[in-house]
Amino acid sequence: GENVEQHPSTLSVQEGDSAVIKCTYSDSASNYFPWYKQELGKRPQLIIDIRSNVGEKKDQRIAVTLNKTAKHFSLHITETQPEDSAVYFCAASRNDYKLSFGAGTTVTVRA
Amino acid sequence: EAGVAQSPRYKIIEKRQSVAFWCNPISGHATLYWYQQILGQGPKLLIQFQNNGVVDDSQLPKDRFSAERLKGVDSTLKIQPAKLEDSAVYLCASSHNTGELFFGEGSRLTVL
Repeated sequence: GENVEQHPSTLSVQEGDSAVIKCTYSDSASNYFPWYKQELGKRPQLIIDIRSNVGEKKDQRIAVTLNKTAKHFSLHITETQPEDSAVYFCAASRNDYKLSFGAGTTVTVRA
Repeated sequence: EAGVAQSPRYKIIEKRQSVAFWCNPISGHATLYWYQQILGQGPKLLIQFQNNGVVDDSQLPKDRFSAERLKGVDSTLKIQPAKLEDSAVYLCASSHNTGELFFGEGSRLTVL
């Protein structure tokens, strides 16, 4: 099955700086790569996703890049704000089937 | 639009006891998932339903876990007998056809 590895496990950044989280996946047939944000005690919520037919997608301060050859994808958050503090999960699936999650990255934005 | 409903929110049981969790997905969502999230880890898929059929249950410990979605709407996840390592948050999610999963608040299980 799909195995998703996520790094780093924790990330502390100064407010206004950028944060980058990287994930690798094992199944070359995976074609859907979402990112979920989970605030403390809350449910995970989708923040951005990318499909394998594109290499980059942006939505305001967040962007995701995908390298299919290397089987890795990354989340970039620019101009971080305190409300960006949360646990971020990457995930991968083939045709929206059996979504597998990474272990998560705890992001702390220091004021 | 109402979200994914789960109950109970919290449950404390002793090992070897049984427990059941209920989930009502977003109306019209054909796909329903049960995930297990152990503290400090990412959600792990237990079972995926498409309407009332099982799409994948390869990671469901079938000797103690069972799940059903008889009428293709709400679903029940049961653990019997529970073990200490089953302590986790059980997340139910549903999706339509966009790929996005909508999660419920989760059911936190503590096994003593």
